[in-house]
Amino acid sequence: NAGVMQNPRHLVRRRGQEARLRCSPMKGHSHVYWYRQLPEEGLKFMVYLQKENIIDESGMPKERFSAEFPKEGPSILRIQQVVRGDSAAYFCASSPVGTGGASVYGYTFGSGTRLTVV
Amino acid sequence: DAKTTQPNSMESNEEEPVHLPCNHSTISGTDYIHWYRQLPSQGPEYVIHGLTSNVNNRMASLAIAEDRKSSTLILHRATLRDAAVYYCILRDRGGADGLTFGKGTHLIIQP
Repeated sequence: NAGVMQNPRHLVRRRGQEARLRCSPMKGHSHVYWYRQLPEEGLKFMVYLQKENIIDESGMPKERFSAEFPKEGPSILRIQQVVRGDSAAYFCASSPVGTGGASVYGYTFGSGTRLTVV
Repeated sequence: DAKTTQPNSMESNEEEPVHLPCNHSTISGTDYIHWYRQLPSQGPEYVIHGLTSNVNNRMASLAIAEDRKSSTLILHRATLRDAAVYYCILRDRGGADGLTFGKGTHLIIQP
């Protein structure tokens, strides 16, 4: 029973390029959350998605960042025109029920994608 | 979500019990107490959670004060693999957004 799968594990992009980070939730989980961890800082919530719906994007930067969770395939976090400040570890988590239920059941996190912008 | 307060770091010896404290004086009646840990270069890992009663699982025990204003995560016999940052997080049952991670406690295990 595979856990939350994120790829790539490491991603290097030049300034101005696009970064695409993928997350496949655990089998049976239809709720996905993205977090960002800047160097030497704690994790910050970015966005919460269900299949084909963005439920809460209150933590997403207003520009250049977008997320989707299509009916088929993984969730994608897309960063356009990356800048050095986007260098961070990006983690995806999934849960079998919505956030209220996740208060009871907890979240399963992936190992993250470490983005380096050069 | 209500705020929690944890020591920045703690040190313990291998094979000894570890008690990690967390203060949450503004906890509400519907807040669950969650603990996650993050090993170096890994994503956070769920450890345990509870509401009012003490909880035990294969990883740890959670002791919750009677007034719920504090809790303690107990690792009964620490190993070097338990060295990690431990996060105490409150989650309202009806919470509508993601987990709020603080700085956590950096647990150092000495061999």
